[in-house]
This record gives sequence, structure tokens and C-alpha cells, in this order.
Amino acid sequence: EVQLVESGGGSVKPGRSLRLSCAASGFTFDDYAMHWVRQAPGKGLEWVSGISWNSGSIGYADSVKGRFTISRDNAKNSLSLQMNSLRAEDTALYYCAKDGDSSGYYPENWGQGTLVTVSP
Amino acid sequence: QSALTQPASVSGSPGQSITISCTGTSSDVGSYNLVSWYQQHPGKAPKLMIYEVSKRPSGVSNRFSGSKSGNTASLTISGLQAEDEAVYYCCSYAGGSTLHVVFGGGTMLTVL
Repeated sequence: EVQLVESGGGSVKPGRSLRLSCAASGFTFDDYAMHWVRQAPGKGLEWVSGISWNSGSIGYADSVKGRFTISRDNAKNSLSLQMNSLRAEDTALYYCAKDGDSSGYYPENWGQGTLVTVSP
Repeated sequence: QSALTQPASVSGSPGQSITISCTGTSSDVGSYNLVSWYQQHPGKAPKLMIYEVSKRPSGVSNRFSGSKSGNTASLTISGLQAEDEAVYYCCSYAGGSTLHVVFGGGTMLTVL
């Protein structure tokens, strides 16, 4: 069974940094691309970033480009999101998602999310 | 890149069929057969219902079907049931030189 467990969320002030992690199990981690998707309170889903199986292809939403960095450690079955220069509009539930492919075409399995709150 | 366009809400009675549209551009929906659909109940994580335009994951009811024409994809739910009431999101691969995915704004389905 695919399991994705996010951690690292919390409450931070604008301009500060936070690092999210996702521990993956139940599948061959380095066979699949991975994504971060967020959902602001009461709002829809927003794709944040994705990374291919070998980190050879990486992408970011325009809203986070230059501030967030996605990475993965295939040896540790883990995915990370380094978030710098946080803004109030980054407040959201952040989901880690396993892709259905190695290249990064669609989130297939989702974790339960970790909440990030950016407030003065 | 802009979000895909979905109607804010749709409704139907039990047993009826409904269709949710998802309009993108020639850079996303129109270029790739990589449209997916997700169901999200309140307080829950999204669940994949359709991938690659019309494929159903194991365990998803065959009442759910997907299609695409040009820059618009559609999700059809037949034989509506009370438990289908949820928010539905479409998603499309939009990458080219970089990995990129875009979601629709979501459609609230109400089963009357």
C-alpha cells in the first residue's frame, strides 16, 4: 500500500523559511516522479512543484519560482520542499503526491498533508 | 501558466448523469492526452478518478468516465449517487522543457 507522510509544517512569520518532508513507502520510490500540491483554506488545489524520478526534470509554479526548491533522496525514499521568503499567500495545506509515471504527468496517490501558516 | 477553467458548480438528481467540463489551451489540455480528474470530499485528500483522459484506476466505479476534444476535457458521472457529492478537479500536464502540471479551479457537485 502506498503511504506518503508529510511533516515539517507549522506557523512562521513572513520572510522566514520552512522545510517540508515527505516519507514514502509501499512502492519503489525511484520509479516515480513526485509532486507538491497545496490547498489554501477554503480554496482549490494548486500545483506547487514536481520532480522526475532521477531529478533530471524539475518544475515550479510561477507563484513559488525562485523561492521554493524541491529535492528528493532516492536512497532514503524521501521528498523535500525548501520554502524561503514565505508570504501570507503561501498559507495552505501542503500535500505530497506520487505520480503515476516516472516523468511527472499526474499525481496519483496523495498524503494527508501538512499545514503551513504564514502570519506576522 | 493559467489554471484550467471549470464551472463552479453542477447538480443532478440521483440516477441522473452529469458532465463537468475543463477548458485549457493548446499548451496543456490540447497538447497532451494527460488529463486527470480528482474527487475531494470535505476534510479529505484528493482521490484520483480518471487519468490519461479516460482511464480509470483500479477500484474506481465505471460510472465515472472521461473524454477530451480539442482544448476541453470532460468528466461524466452516470447513475448519480449521494456519495458522489464532492468537489471535482481536473488536471493537465503542461510541461515541455520543464515538468509542469496545472489544475482547474474545481467544481462542486451537488446531488439533489
